Amino acid sequence: AQTVTQSQPEMSVQEAETVTLSCTYDTSESDYYLFWYKQPPSRQMILVIRQEAYKQQNATENRFSVNFQKAAKSFSLKISDSQLGDAAMYFCAYRSASSNYQLIWGAGTKLIIKP
Amino acid sequence: DAGVIQSPRHEVTEMGQEVTLRCKPISGHNSLFWYRQTMMRGLELLIYFNNNVPIDDSGMPEDRFSAKMPNASFSTLKIQPSEPRDSAVYFCASRLVGTQDTQYFGPGTRLTVL
Repeated sequence: AQTVTQSQPEMSVQEAETVTLSCTYDTSESDYYLFWYKQPPSRQMILVIRQEAYKQQNATENRFSVNFQKAAKSFSLKISDSQLGDAAMYFCAYRSASSNYQLIWGAGTKLIIKP
Repeated sequence: DAGVIQSPRHEVTEMGQEVTLRCKPISGHNSLFWYRQTMMRGLELLIYFNNNVPIDDSGMPEDRFSAKMPNASFSTLKIQPSEPRDSAVYFCASRLVGTQDTQYFGPGTRLTVL
């Protein structure tokens, strides 16, 4: 069965600095999708970034980028120029291409931004 | 686009009462999900609809839980009777199958059962 592990329950970073959140996953499949969702105190789950496993190029969205290492089954999220509004829980999620709906979620990492 | 709309945002009820949570998916989306989030269990998929048809309800905890999707723009999750252990945040999410398949979440309903 596929699993997603976020080994950092909590991370903190100084405002304007860069932070990397780690995510590893276990799968025997070669085609899948990976996601990072953000959940701020408002509770709403917001998609941050999405990566298809068949794409070698790392996805980027403005200050957010990923380091996708398929062989290592690693999918870390880098946040550059951290802002106070980035404070949230961050969840990593996996979806097999053969399952068109089931997301496997990590436990989440709480990101604290120090002003 | 208004995004996924859920109501109510907060619900406080007493044990034994019926609770109905509502969701309006993003217009044009053809799949809908109900999730439950608790500190102990994280995010759990309760039920998945595709084209208004329930495809996977294996996550529905008990017969006390039921979900309906009478049309493409509305879904309900009902708990009857409610119990204190049902206290959680309930999310609805929708997506358009065949595109990037990304799930878009609503703001959630925080349910407290006393």
